[in-house]
Amino acid sequence: DAMVIQNPRYQVTQFGKPVTLSCSQTLNHNVMYWYQQKSSQAPKLLFHYYDKDFNNEADTPDNFQSRRPNTSFCFLDIRSPGLGDAAMYLCATSRDPAGANVLTFGAGSRLTVL
Amino acid sequence: RKEVEQDPGPFNVPEGATVAFNCTYSNSASQSFFWYRQDCRKEPKLLMSVYSSGNEDGRFTAQLNRASQYISLLIRDSKLSDSATYLCVVRAGNMLTFGGGTRLMVKP
Repeated sequence: DAMVIQNPRYQVTQFGKPVTLSCSQTLNHNVMYWYQQKSSQAPKLLFHYYDKDFNNEADTPDNFQSRRPNTSFCFLDIRSPGLGDAAMYLCATSRDPAGANVLTFGAGSRLTVL
Repeated sequence: RKEVEQDPGPFNVPEGATVAFNCTYSNSASQSFFWYRQDCRKEPKLLMSVYSSGNEDGRFTAQLNRASQYISLLIRDSKLSDSATYLCVVRAGNMLTFGGGTRLMVKP
């Protein structure tokens, strides 16, 4: 059974039209991450939540926002998608941010911007 | 210099071959090391953690060289199904850094 579930798997939007991607987890992990991955590149961390504490990466554009209403769910909002935001968006969880805790990824949401 | 560097490949090998990838890291305070496997258009999945003394899981052997700041992954008896991108992941404190991945293609 999938433990980190992302919806939708595929999202097509128009330039500038807001998009929300969702992630849910059944692992009861404290940390939830959002990564952006473009073709043939490493996943790039956008931000993460450690419980309710939000941690934004310094180079994450303001266009990207996140919400974590409870332990199980986390959302990625892209306020005004540009062509350069087309990518796979990966949600991941871990028990805590430090030590040898591994990441468990969802299957990803692939965003196309027209 | 990138914090975590990998040869992007592709490494093209015949079935049954032994292949090895290295991953170098720049932060000497790095504490935890992992290899993830990512199939085309899929999510990364943990292949194995890398322990200080080295560790083996079936055909896969991972090693850590702290003095030279690199980790390695050795795959013996390559299978067609091993074709994927192998991502090196390094943790220092709360910071997780991904390498760009090494692409492996195993040919019949």
